[in-house]
Amino acid sequence: AQSVTQPDIHITVSEGASLELRCNYSYGATPYLFWYVQSPGQGLQLLLKYFSGDTLVQGIKGFEAEFKRSQSSFNLRKPSVHWSDAAEYFCAVGPSMYSGGGADGLTFGKGTHLIIQP
Amino acid sequence: SAVISQKPSRDICQRGTSLTIQCQVDSQVTMMFWYRQQPGQSLTLIATANQGSEATYESGFVIDKFPISRPNLTFSTLTVSNMSPEDSSIYLCSVAGDSYEQYFGPGTRLTVT
Repeated sequence: AQSVTQPDIHITVSEGASLELRCNYSYGATPYLFWYVQSPGQGLQLLLKYFSGDTLVQGIKGFEAEFKRSQSSFNLRKPSVHWSDAAEYFCAVGPSMYSGGGADGLTFGKGTHLIIQP
Repeated sequence: SAVISQKPSRDICQRGTSLTIQCQVDSQVTMMFWYRQQPGQSLTLIATANQGSEATYESGFVIDKFPISRPNLTFSTLTVSNMSPEDSSIYLCSVAGDSYEQYFGPGTRLTVT
């Protein structure tokens, strides 16, 4: 069964500093990979997605993520965080067309709570 | 991306009662999904709802407790039956995009007392 591990429950970063949130997955084939953000009282917003091709993907709000097959990782990065980035971040995996899956549900990690220090 | 609305946005219910949550999408979609997010936890898939067929439930979720309807391509409901305090969660519906990404509704925050 697929699984997603986000090893950091909480991360505190100073405003303007760089950010990296870790995500490791376990899956039988290369899955589709996603990062979502959930701000307090808000729904989930898709930040970016990886399907195939270039392993560095760009998303909204200045975020990017790098897929590393050898490490089964899909870490999220941002060069300079803003106070408005404080939120819960979820990494998720879903079955890809390459693994024979259709539009199935996603498997989420437990999330990383990002705190921004002034 | 699809625009998804949910009703109600929040509710406080007595144990033993049932609540039906509505999910409306602004475009026709084949697959809709229902998730639960317990307090301070991640999202867990409850079931997948395909129009015209019975919903497919994940392990640990049963139709008697979480009946789902999918009457057309833009609407679905999830009922939380015979509620207990353990059912206090945020319930979210989602739809699949063109490339298997999912877009989520704003969620329904349920508190069972």
